[in-house]
Order: sequence, then C-alpha cells, then structure tokens
Amino acid sequence: KQEVTQIPAALSVPEGENLVLNCSFTDSAIYNLQWFRQDPGKGLTSLLLIQSSQREQTSGRLNASLDKSSGRSTLYIAASQPGDSATYLCAVGHNDMRFGAGTRLTVKP
Amino acid sequence: NAGVTQTPKFQVLKTGQSMTLQCAQDMNHNSMYWYRQDPGMGLRLIYYSASEGTTDKGEVPNGYNVSRLNKREFSLRLESAAPSQTSVYFCASRPTGGRTDTQYFGPGTRLTVL
Repeated sequence: KQEVTQIPAALSVPEGENLVLNCSFTDSAIYNLQWFRQDPGKGLTSLLLIQSSQREQTSGRLNASLDKSSGRSTLYIAASQPGDSATYLCAVGHNDMRFGAGTRLTVKP
Repeated sequence: NAGVTQTPKFQVLKTGQSMTLQCAQDMNHNSMYWYRQDPGMGLRLIYYSASEGTTDKGEVPNGYNVSRLNKREFSLRLESAAPSQTSVYFCASRPTGGRTDTQYFGPGTRLTVL
C-alpha cells in the first residue's frame, strides 16, 4: 500500500526566503506525482504535475522535482510572499491518488 | 463556468440518519471523485467514477454509496451516518483521465455526525 509522508507538518518563514517542502512515498512505481495548494476552508488547486518519466516541473516561482529511486519529491518556492501562505499537499497515483497530510506554510511579512 | 459545485456546504446529522451529498461539474469532464479529509490527514479516496456509468471503490468505501447520475453529477450517500463519518468531503473531476490531466476540486462539504 502506497504511503505518502510530508515533512515538516508546519513551516514559518520570513517573506523573501527561498524554501523547500518535502514529500516521500513508499512505492516507487508511481504513475504521476502532483503538488496541490489548499487555502483554509477551500478545495485543492493543482500546482504542478510530474509524470513518472520526468525529473522536474516548473511554474513561475515554483519548481518540483521527482526522484523515484529514493521515493522523494521536493517543492521549491523562490522568494516567498505572504500570499504563498497555505497548506501544500503532495499526491501520487492517477485515479486512486494517495495524499500526504500536507505542510502548513506561513510566510510572515 | 462554475467548475465543481457541492451542496450542501455544511450539514449536521444525528447518528443513524441518512443523507446525500451532491456534486456537479460543468466542464464536460469524464471522471469524478469523492474524498474525505480528516484533521491532520491527507485526503482519502472514497469512490470514483472513471466515466459515466462506472464506479469503483477507493481507499475508504465502507459506509458510503455513490451514483453517477449522468456525466455532470456524482452523488455520495450515507445510509446510516456514524460519528466516524464526521469529516470534510471533497468532490473532484478530471477531463479525460489522460496522463497529464489534473483533478479540479469543489469547495467541500463540512459534515458533523452527532
């Protein structure tokens, strides 16, 4: 059974700092890996999707990497802003996606 | 486009009561999903429908039933609610199920079972 873990559970940084969120998974035979953002009381919004054959994806200030052999993915956020404050979740799979519990990020002005 | 809509937004039930959570999408997506999210945990898949007319169990299907009413609508039914089903329920849809398709999520239904 695929298990997804995200560390740390919470992170607080000053505005402007570069930061890395971590995601690990137990079964390296994944289909896709996705990073989502969730604002309080809202649904999830997809940020980046990495196919199993890819190593990374970039969108603006966000860069996600994938290392299947070690069962790890990272989400790099450059020049963080208060508007980046949210919970970030990673998920692996396709129809039967498994989610991590998320990292709650606070960016202080 | 409204995207994915869910009704109701909030609901309080007593143990043993039944209810149906409604989900609709106006994006002509083929696949639809129901998840639950509990405090400190990620989302867990309850049921999904890869296409109209099909449904499959996810990770935590016990105590739930689903109906894919048509391409737009996918409902989740609790026949006899239990306190363990207190959670936030999210519906999602995906265009075709292709490799690069992502899921689009509704705003959630917060359900409390007393």
